[in-house]
Amino acid sequence: GDSVTQKQGQVTLSEDDFLFINCTYSTTTYPTLFWYVQYPGQGPQLLLKVTTANNKGISRGFEATYDKGTTSFHLQKASVQESDSAVYFCALVDASSGSWQLIFGSGTQLTVMP
Amino acid sequence: EAGVTQSPRYAVLQEGQAVSFWCDPISGHDTLYWYQQPRDQGPQLLVYFRDEAVIDNSQLPSDRFSAVRPKGTNSTLKIQSAKQGDTATYLCASSLGGANYAEQFFGPGTRLTVL
Repeated sequence: GDSVTQKQGQVTLSEDDFLFINCTYSTTTYPTLFWYVQYPGQGPQLLLKVTTANNKGISRGFEATYDKGTTSFHLQKASVQESDSAVYFCALVDASSGSWQLIFGSGTQLTVMP
Repeated sequence: EAGVTQSPRYAVLQEGQAVSFWCDPISGHDTLYWYQQPRDQGPQLLVYFRDEAVIDNSQLPSDRFSAVRPKGTNSTLKIQSAKQGDTATYLCASSLGGANYAEQFFGPGTRLTVL
């Protein structure tokens, strides 16, 4: 079945550093990919959506792209702020099982030091 | 517009006890989801409804977990005879439509600890 892997468990940066988070995916169909952000004590919030149609999403200074050749998708931000500290999840729509629901990665805890 | 609300926010049980979680989705959202999120992991779908009908409950441990949405609005997730392995945050989400383009809005979750 479809799957998504997020290997970066923790990332620590300083303010104004460049952020790059990576996920890999496996699917037999055209992927629909999401990035969600979760702040402490809250549920995940949709940050960005990327499809084969648009190839890229941009929101709140974050940019998401995907690479079909390496079956990976990325979240990046040019200059992080302390307020960006949160857990970031990649997610893939599960098409192969027919559920069409989200498969989440294990999350990347981003800590931005002032 | 009010978001997805859940109660209680926290629950602590002994093994073998029962617990219910309640969710009020965003008004007008026809699709409602329950997820389990173990510590340091991503959310994992348990069950989802469109209106009052269960669409997929294949990941719901049916011997101890049950979920209902009788009027197509609020929903209750119940665990009978909780186990330590059920320790997790239980998230409710709702969306307008259930297709892959439908943004899911999550509630704050109920953090369950089973001792």
